[in-house]
Amino acid sequence: VLMQSPGTLSLSPGERATLSCRASQIVNNNYLAWYQQKIGQAPRLLIYIASRRATGIPDRFSGSGSGTDFTLTISRLEPEDFAVYYCQQYGSSPLTFGGGTKVEIK
Amino acid sequence: QVQLQESDPGLVKPSQTLSLTCTVSGASINSGGHYWSWFRQLPGKGLEWIGYIYYSGSTYYTPSLEIRLSISIEASKNQFSLKLSSVTAADTAIYYCARNLLGSDVFDIWGQGTMVIVSS
Repeated sequence: VLMQSPGTLSLSPGERATLSCRASQIVNNNYLAWYQQKIGQAPRLLIYIASRRATGIPDRFSGSGSGTDFTLTISRLEPEDFAVYYCQQYGSSPLTFGGGTKVEIK
Repeated sequence: QVQLQESDPGLVKPSQTLSLTCTVSGASINSGGHYWSWFRQLPGKGLEWIGYIYYSGSTYYTPSLEIRLSISIEASKNQFSLKLSSVTAADTAIYYCARNLLGSDVFDIWGQGTMVIVSS
């Protein structure tokens, strides 16, 4: 099970966002990914293997962590970053997702 | 570039079989190393992985749906399909098809999604 916190994060553009994903058991090989999803759109891959940015993802997005505790950090929020963020583990089957963190404009 | 497009079954009656097709453009579905996957998102909820099929035809399903699920490839049409039998209202969701990042079980190419409503 992947638990994401907080459920909602209310921040202003330019602020730093820190999102947490905690696994109930060790994520093998740190196979943990982060996705961004906007209303009416499909998810967009941001980060994989805990800290590797996907192609075309701005460097204000960074991932960290290992074992059971992982973090997605957005260094300075841009207007287009307000969305829902999901973590996904792929270290064991079945693939599973966290419940999501909504980053909303304060 | 690679694009995926789900079919649009719209309304499905309870106890019937949901059939979805994902059409791939910009790449061959037979290109080695890729998994072709299905996900769903229940209304207002998070994401659920349903299963995927390897280009060779090997399939991997989530345990909770496995007994009702079939995923197949039709290489001649560059498509892959999902069939989910005995549907109930609990299967009402947005269904997405997606392709994995080569060598990994993360997904960087997604279809736009299709809303499926199970109702009589």
